[in-house]
Amino acid sequence: AQRVTQPEKLLSVFKGAPVELKCNYSYSGSPELFWYVQYSRQRLQLLLRHISRESIKGFTADLNKGETSFHLKKPFAQEEDSAMYYCALSGQGAQKLVFGQGTRLTINP
Amino acid sequence: GAGVSQSPRYKVAKRGQDVALRCDPISGHVSLFWYQQALGQGPEFLTYFQNEAQLDKSGLPSDRFFAERPEGSVSTLKIQRTQQEDSAVYLCASSSYKEGTEAFFGQGTRLTVV
Repeated sequence: AQRVTQPEKLLSVFKGAPVELKCNYSYSGSPELFWYVQYSRQRLQLLLRHISRESIKGFTADLNKGETSFHLKKPFAQEEDSAMYYCALSGQGAQKLVFGQGTRLTINP
Repeated sequence: GAGVSQSPRYKVAKRGQDVALRCDPISGHVSLFWYQQALGQGPEFLTYFQNEAQLDKSGLPSDRFFAERPEGSVSTLKIQRTQQEDSAVYLCASSSYKEGTEAFFGQGTRLTVV
């Protein structure tokens, strides 16, 4: 079965501090992993995906197949990072996304 | 249009009423998805279209839920005899046909069944 787990529903850090949002998955194969973000009053949008191996807005995420994790990291949080973050996967040959429950990140000034 | 458009943005229905939710995908996008997002949860897959063909409807929770995309563009999600547990945000997303490509989401329709 495909499953995505985000263990923290809420995460609060101070501006300038490092941020790590955890994501673990279960999938018997090679999934595609994504992070989606929803800022206040905006639609859900793609932040980054593991296949592109890029850094967006200072965020990076590394796929660890041994630990089945895809944690999102940023070394220095900014207030505009406050948002809802969803980890998601799609299976081989499929486009539908399986989402985690989401983590609400709050950056305190 | 510039993005995926959904209408109405908000819908209040009395229990037992039928509702129809509309999605206008990005022009040229072959793939279209519907998701249901209950309060405090992540989106959950309902159904998937490739052009006008409904290739996956495994996520539809009951036979009261029906989706169509007759001309391979606009899609409608219909819920018959609504129940309180149908209250959720219904999200539509579209993408070009390629594995791992970005799905673009609409603003969603918030359905409240009273």
